[in-house]
Amino acid sequence: DVKVTQSSRYLVKRTGEKVFLECVQDMDHENMFWYRQDPGLGLRLIYFSYDVKMKEKGDIPEGYSVSREKKERFSLILESASTNQTSMYLCASSLTFGELFFGEGSRLTVL
Amino acid sequence: ILNVEQSPQSLHVQEGDSTNFTCSFPSSNFYALHWYRWETAKSPEALFVMTLNGDEKKKGRISATLNTKEGYSYLYIKGSQPEDSATYLCAFRGGSSNTGKLIFGQGTTLQVKP
Repeated sequence: DVKVTQSSRYLVKRTGEKVFLECVQDMDHENMFWYRQDPGLGLRLIYFSYDVKMKEKGDIPEGYSVSREKKERFSLILESASTNQTSMYLCASSLTFGELFFGEGSRLTVL
Repeated sequence: ILNVEQSPQSLHVQEGDSTNFTCSFPSSNFYALHWYRWETAKSPEALFVMTLNGDEKKKGRISATLNTKEGYSYLYIKGSQPEDSATYLCAFRGGSSNTGKLIFGQGTTLQVKP
């Protein structure tokens, strides 16, 4: 089975903490994405990457950064977590520009 | 700003009912329309990727149609079952293939009562 694995299903952090969300895919996909899901809103794209060491801002990149040192791994970093970053975070990957394969999500609460 | 709208936001039906919901998207500069199903505590999974105007796709009891000229897609579920309970997301990709960005609607949450 193809798989996108997110490192943590549930996290609770304090305001100002640095937070790492890790995502690994085993499908050799070039493209990887980070989205956040909030009630009443669609999935919103934070950052995406077409290749190793390459990144592009999505629609809501403020307060986030990313790292892609290896093809299979795409990390989302919250440099200084804030309460408005409490959300469900979804990682996805795709081959070319076809369907997305998603992880199960990481629910982050920032107190 | 490109807008993708789904309606209704939520739906409650009885087991055995057939149902449908709508995804509206920009009618210009179309490249592809995706449908995903997201069950609670699971990953969203792709149902369909549609690229041609007039396209109709089917997977079991679920089917989808696409009208790119007027900017809408319908998802139909025939004879709903409790296991169909999920949030259904549509996503629009416009422009050329190398934009890489999908714009998602807010989803339709379906609850099927036994």
